[in-house]
Amino acid sequence: GDSVTQMEGPVTLSEEAFLTINCTYTATGYPSLFWYVQYPGEGLQLLLKATKADDKGSNKGFEATYRKETTSFHLEKGSVQVSDSAVYFCALRLNNAGNMLTFGGGTRLMVKP
Amino acid sequence: DAGVTQSPTHLIKTRGQQVTLRCSPKSGHDTVSWYQQALGQGPQFIFQYYEEEERQRGNFPDRFSGHQFPNYSSELNVNALLLGDSALYLCASSAATWTANTEAFFGQGTRLTVV
Repeated sequence: GDSVTQMEGPVTLSEEAFLTINCTYTATGYPSLFWYVQYPGEGLQLLLKATKADDKGSNKGFEATYRKETTSFHLEKGSVQVSDSAVYFCALRLNNAGNMLTFGGGTRLMVKP
Repeated sequence: DAGVTQSPTHLIKTRGQQVTLRCSPKSGHDTVSWYQQALGQGPQFIFQYYEEEERQRGNFPDRFSGHQFPNYSSELNVNALLLGDSALYLCASSAATWTANTEAFFGQGTRLTVV
């Protein structure tokens, strides 16, 4: 079946450090790919998305490129802030599957001042 | 725009009881999906409602059931609660015109604790 695998956390970084959170997927079709963020005590917020191969999603300094050849969608940010501390989820949605999202297990990011 | 609203925010139930969770979708949305997020894990898809019918279902037993009302709001019902049903239950809404760019908006969730 379809699945998403994320690097396990927690990831602990100092402020202004470079961030990479790895995400790979397995899908029977051609999915759209998403990164969601969950702040403590809150629901999920869409961070960025990409709908086809080689697309780059970006938002708030975060970027991820849809790599079909490596089935990956790694999240990057050049300079993290304390306010970026949260749990990040990679997800896929098959384009013939309505709005059903398949999520990875999440990666907790902790940024220290 | 109030976004997706869920109630209650927290709930404590006893094993074997039944529970009903509620969700109001974002204005303009007519499709509601429910997810279960166990502590420390990613959300798992339970089911999706559109036009008052269950359209898709994940790998959950039939103790989990739902309903959608004419105003597009939705309920999730869980019968015969088990300790393992303790989780954050998330509701997501979207427009039914599904394209690759369709975005799901999530509520803040209902934290269910079964004791």
